[in-house]
Amino acid sequence: KAGVTQTPRYLIKTRGQQVTLSCSPISGHRSVSWYQQTPGQGLQFLFEYFSETQRNKGNFPGRFSGRQFSNSRSEMNVSTLELGDSALYLCASSPGDRDVTEAFFGQGTRLTVV
Amino acid sequence: AQSVTQPDIHITVSEGASLELRCNYSYGATPYLFWYVQSPGQGLQLLLKYFSGDTLVQGIKGFEAEFKRSQSSFNLRKPSVHWSDAAEYFCAVGEKGYSSASKIIFGSGTRLSIRP
Repeated sequence: KAGVTQTPRYLIKTRGQQVTLSCSPISGHRSVSWYQQTPGQGLQFLFEYFSETQRNKGNFPGRFSGRQFSNSRSEMNVSTLELGDSALYLCASSPGDRDVTEAFFGQGTRLTVV
Repeated sequence: AQSVTQPDIHITVSEGASLELRCNYSYGATPYLFWYVQSPGQGLQLLLKYFSGDTLVQGIKGFEAEFKRSQSSFNLRKPSVHWSDAAEYFCAVGEKGYSSASKIIFGSGTRLSIRP
């Protein structure tokens, strides 16, 4: 079974631009969660999508948004990029509808804002 | 509220030596417990998990962890470390309910360095 796939692996953007990151979950998983990881703040939860609906949301500004498609693939978008948005963005895939909580992570997308 | 504490920010051990990484959690009921490992610039890989049953859990790469309810701990152990074990290790606790990463609380991580 294929794992979680995130594309692209690396991105360099200029301040003020916008960026879209993609995540394909494990086949059969319907929940996709996004995290931002930085050396100073650690792992911070952005939001979770389940069956094309945002189910949980972290404490990030509205510049960070996401969506999920009918095939469970998810995208996150960051608009008006700031230098502080430079981070490793991780996607986690989960079944979403069972009583057992577990998550499988992708390799991440390294975003650098210059 | 549930939380996870990894008291050691950075640990250095010699190759071939034994390893124990500490993890304490706060949770009202019997939690789901996890250990993840992250190599530099990579995603998190699940090492092992505890849901119920035997409190000594075996994982991948020769790691094991023991759930001790009385101490609210879930320490990770390995009898003999290899240079390739150098990485960041995250302990995590998961709430019961629908399965989602949003229900998992992560510790701040312990960075493991291996001395040749």
